[in-house]
Amino acid sequence: GESVGLHLPTLSVQEGDNSIINCAYSNSASDYFIWYKQESGKGPQFIIDIRSNMDKRQGQRVTVLLNKTVKHLSLQIAATQPGDSAVYFCAENSPNNAGNMLTFGGGTRLMVKP
Amino acid sequence: DTEVTQTPKHLVMGMTNKKSLKCEQHMGHRAMYWYKQKAKKPPELMFVYSYEKLSINESVPSRFSPECPNSSLLNLHLHALQPEDSALYLCASSHDAGNTEAFFGQGTRLTVV
Repeated sequence: GESVGLHLPTLSVQEGDNSIINCAYSNSASDYFIWYKQESGKGPQFIIDIRSNMDKRQGQRVTVLLNKTVKHLSLQIAATQPGDSAVYFCAENSPNNAGNMLTFGGGTRLMVKP
Repeated sequence: DTEVTQTPKHLVMGMTNKKSLKCEQHMGHRAMYWYKQKAKKPPELMFVYSYEKLSINESVPSRFSPECPNSSLLNLHLHALQPEDSALYLCASSHDAGNTEAFFGQGTRLTVV
């Protein structure tokens, strides 16, 4: 079936550098996307979302970019901090006959070196 | 209150036991979800409740039985589980089952022995 996936399973960055986490999706009907952060032993935490009628959205230190032409989503974290170390998941919300379903990608582990 | 509360945080049960996981939210959300997450894997959708009615069942075995007593509560009843069912069970809620952000609880770490 259609799925959401990530290019890199682990990303290691130096504290203070910018981080970019990528995600590819294959369901062209998906119209809403979310990035979640999950720390060890905790549930996923909402970071930022974007709807398909936009190509960029900014939050505090985070930016999400959406390229619908190539079905690609990215999360940019500015001035990465040790507290940003976690697993990051992209998720897509796709309408179907049964209702909206939030499907998660494979996840990328971000490791921040002090 | 922007929290989804799950109890218990940890649960160990035998294969013949019956137990229940509980989830509660007071954000007025009308959609609630159960997800299963194995180690180093993404959450996988199990059930979706919309306005207290089961709208999606992702082919989950009948040993998992969801229940939505009211708009704030969601239960997952467990019976005759297998060791491979050991996982983190996550509850989430959203304003409705449309394109809005889902808030997750901290999960219940389930171990089946």
